[in-house]
Amino acid sequence: EIVLTQSPGTLSLFPGERATLSCRASRSVSSSYLTWYQQRPGQAPRLLIYGASSRATGIPDRFTGSGSGADFTLTISRLEPEDFAMYYCQQYGTSPTTFGQGTRLEIK
Amino acid sequence: QGQLVQSGAEVKKPGASVKVSCKGSGYTFTGYYIHWVRQAPGQGLEWMGWINPNNGATDYAQKFRGRVTMTRDTSISTAYMELRSLISDDTAIYFCAREASSGWFWGQGALVTVSS
Repeated sequence: EIVLTQSPGTLSLFPGERATLSCRASRSVSSSYLTWYQQRPGQAPRLLIYGASSRATGIPDRFTGSGSGADFTLTISRLEPEDFAMYYCQQYGTSPTTFGQGTRLEIK
Repeated sequence: QGQLVQSGAEVKKPGASVKVSCKGSGYTFTGYYIHWVRQAPGQGLEWMGWINPNNGATDYAQKFRGRVTMTRDTSISTAYMELRSLISDDTAIYFCAREASSGWFWGQGALVTVSS
């Protein structure tokens, strides 16, 4: 199976700063099936980015996805208080579907 | 974009079974695969398998084969996930999610607690 490794495990930043989250795959992933989710405590994952770089409906433009092959990045340009949460990448182009272990974005 | 609404929290004893439901609305239920994913307390997301609501075909993660069954009832636009022989490590939130070309869209989750 394709292993997705997210880094860093925890990212501590101030509101207004820029966040860069990494998702590295153990082998090449179809960009069409690389997604990013945000999860707040007690909530279901919320789709942010699909197809590696397309924003889901209603997602602010401060969220940007990029990358291809085995390296993908989620960038949040100016952190808002509501952005501090867990973030997961996922690939579902190759069975079995796999998720990264997550990056916790916390307020510094 | 539609909605998935799951059944409520359950408490089960070790060795028992649990069946979680996932009702779709606002979209063509038979047009999209439904996946099941679980999340143990404080842990990440673990894929369990999928069902094709159109024909009932399924695929399960190796870890759960023999212990999980996914079914659907198209007359009420509902998918089900049954997990048998529960152990304490099965305590988790169980999510259903609809797979679309534009990503997955998730139900609210159902907490299953396994405790003697």
